[in-house]
Amino acid sequence: NAGVTQTPKFQVLKTGQSMTLQCAQDMNHEYMSWYRQDPGMGLRLIHYSVGAGITDQGEVPNGYNVSRSTTEDFPLRLLSAAPSQTSVYFCASRKDRIETNEKLFFGSGTQLSVL
Amino acid sequence: GENVEQHPSTLSVQEGDSAVIKCTYSDSASNYFPWYKQELGKGPQLIIDIRSNVGEKKDQRIAVTLNKTAKHFSLHITETQPEDSAVYFCAASITNAGKSTFGDGTTLTVKP
Repeated sequence: NAGVTQTPKFQVLKTGQSMTLQCAQDMNHEYMSWYRQDPGMGLRLIHYSVGAGITDQGEVPNGYNVSRSTTEDFPLRLLSAAPSQTSVYFCASRKDRIETNEKLFFGSGTQLSVL
Repeated sequence: GENVEQHPSTLSVQEGDSAVIKCTYSDSASNYFPWYKQELGKGPQLIIDIRSNVGEKKDQRIAVTLNKTAKHFSLHITETQPEDSAVYFCAASITNAGKSTFGDGTTLTVKP
């Protein structure tokens, strides 16, 4: 199994540009999520999904959109990038949609710089 | 909502020494406490977890302890090795809440 696959690994954007970070998992997990990691601030939840067609906001959702059209894919969209969105982004999935007593599987991350 | 504090933010030890990282949580309803290790350039990976009905759990050189009354839990690594150098995150969650809250991370450096 490939697990959780994120693309791209690195991206540089100019302020105002848009882009989509891709995330795919091949484990048939119901729950998928996006985190951002900033120095000294740990992992903060952006958006999450408990199944196809269902998404919800996390701790820091502003400036980001998500959709979940299939079980496998959970893309994160930046509509108008801002320097404050410079960060490392991680996609994570979990088998059960609600049960949090299960481990999260993380992708390898996307390093995003907004100039 | 849940708040998780993690200390210290950086920790440096000599190879062979023990390392202890501590986390406190605010919501007494939290009942699942995982620890993740993040190596440079990679995503976090679960190394050990503990549920609220257990006070301690061990897996070879790593152990986690939980004090529900004080609302804190700790990661213990014994006989540290250079490959233990990484960022460690604690987290807390409530069954059926759907979300986990992470601590800010501890950068552990093991000097050979």
